[in-house]
Amino acid sequence: AQSVSQHNHHVILSEAASLELGCNYSYGGTVNLFWYVQYPGQHLQLLLKYFSGDPLVKGIKGFEAEFIKSKFSFNLRKPSVQWSDTAEYFCAVGGYNKLIFGAGTRLAVHP
Amino acid sequence: DGGITQSPKYLFRKEGQNVTLSCEQNLNHDAMYWYRQDPGQGLRLIYYSQIVNDFQKGDIAEGYSVSREKKESFPLTVTSAQKNPTAFYLCASTRWERRGNTEAFFGQGTRLTVV
Repeated sequence: AQSVSQHNHHVILSEAASLELGCNYSYGGTVNLFWYVQYPGQHLQLLLKYFSGDPLVKGIKGFEAEFIKSKFSFNLRKPSVQWSDTAEYFCAVGGYNKLIFGAGTRLAVHP
Repeated sequence: DGGITQSPKYLFRKEGQNVTLSCEQNLNHDAMYWYRQDPGQGLRLIYYSQIVNDFQKGDIAEGYSVSREKKESFPLTVTSAQKNPTAFYLCASTRWERRGNTEAFFGQGTRLTVV
């Protein structure tokens, strides 16, 4: 069955700390990979996406993600987080016919 | 401006009633989706549709029904058979390319409360 796993449900960091959020997927075919962010009280918005090519993808607000095909992973990273990065982050996998999401990771950044 | 419109934003339902949530898009996207968002569970797929007059069950379809009579519209009915319908419902659409679906565009959501 197709699935997306986000291993960290809650992450607490101090400002300027580095961030890495894990995402693994199970899907038997070519996939498109996405990270979305949901700030408190706001809609989901796209952070970055991978379709093909360079497996290191850069997105908005200094985020990047690396696709490692052999590990079925698409981890999200940011070298130095800010208080404004406090949000919930969702990994998503788009296959041939549907789009599925992970359970999300709540990130809290303390000043 | 192109986008997805969900209505209503808030909906209250009495137990035993069916309610229908509206979702309309003018992005000319082929695929449309309904998700349910609950705290700590992410977005769970209820139903999806790749083309008009065709749709498939997602992971939690029980107690829900949909129709796709027009490309622009994908309404979701929450039936009385849904045991725990209080939740936040999100509609989304994607364009379809040969290698699969592109990124999703989301509506603003409908918060359904059973009273």
